[in-house]
Amino acid sequence: AQSVAQPEDQVNVAEGNPLTVKCTYSVSGNPYLFWYVQYPNRGLQFLLKYITGDNLVKGSYGFEAEFNKSQTSFHLKKPSALVSDSALYFCAVRALYNDYKLSFGAGTTVTVRA
Amino acid sequence: GAVVSQHPSWVICKSGTSVKIECRSLDFQATTMFWYRQFPKQSLMLMATSNEGSKATYEQGVEKDKFLINHASLTLSTLTVTSAHPEDSSFYICSAAGTEGYNSPLHFGNGTRLTVT
Repeated sequence: AQSVAQPEDQVNVAEGNPLTVKCTYSVSGNPYLFWYVQYPNRGLQFLLKYITGDNLVKGSYGFEAEFNKSQTSFHLKKPSALVSDSALYFCAVRALYNDYKLSFGAGTTVTVRA
Repeated sequence: GAVVSQHPSWVICKSGTSVKIECRSLDFQATTMFWYRQFPKQSLMLMATSNEGSKATYEQGVEKDKFLINHASLTLSTLTVTSAHPEDSSFYICSAAGTEGYNSPLHFGNGTRLTVT
């Protein structure tokens, strides 16, 4: 079975400071990893993905994530957070290569204070 | 590209009535669609997987007779909440998989806020 853990319910940072949202995963075989962001009363927006290749992937809105196979982690990062980055962030994994289903983490609420 | 339109955005209905929610892929063909339910500040709970032209596959604990899913075409899936009750009030989200392959993200609708009075 595949699963994702987001150990922090909330992350609070000051605007301009680095932002990190943690994610660890558990799958059999190689994972397909995704990060999504959700604003209030909206659906999920895709930020970035890791499939294969370079462990550091860059995505939308200045976000990036680092895949670490030995630690089974895929942490989301942004060098300089903005107030507008305040939202709910989800990490997701897909492991079965004949199934589109994603397993989501519990979500991390990010609050960036001005 | 890859836009998923979900309607309505919000709906209020009386207890005992049925509500239909539509999920459309506007610029791609969606071979598979998913329906989720989300409680405030919580993760998405997968309700069912919908494949065009076949019966939906429901997750354990989801009442298939209460949450009717139809995927009649490659661009449209519908979720009907039958005989709705206040406990069915929630945020419902759909997502769609295109034809890009398994290394591609799912595309999400903007969700439907259902309130049953």
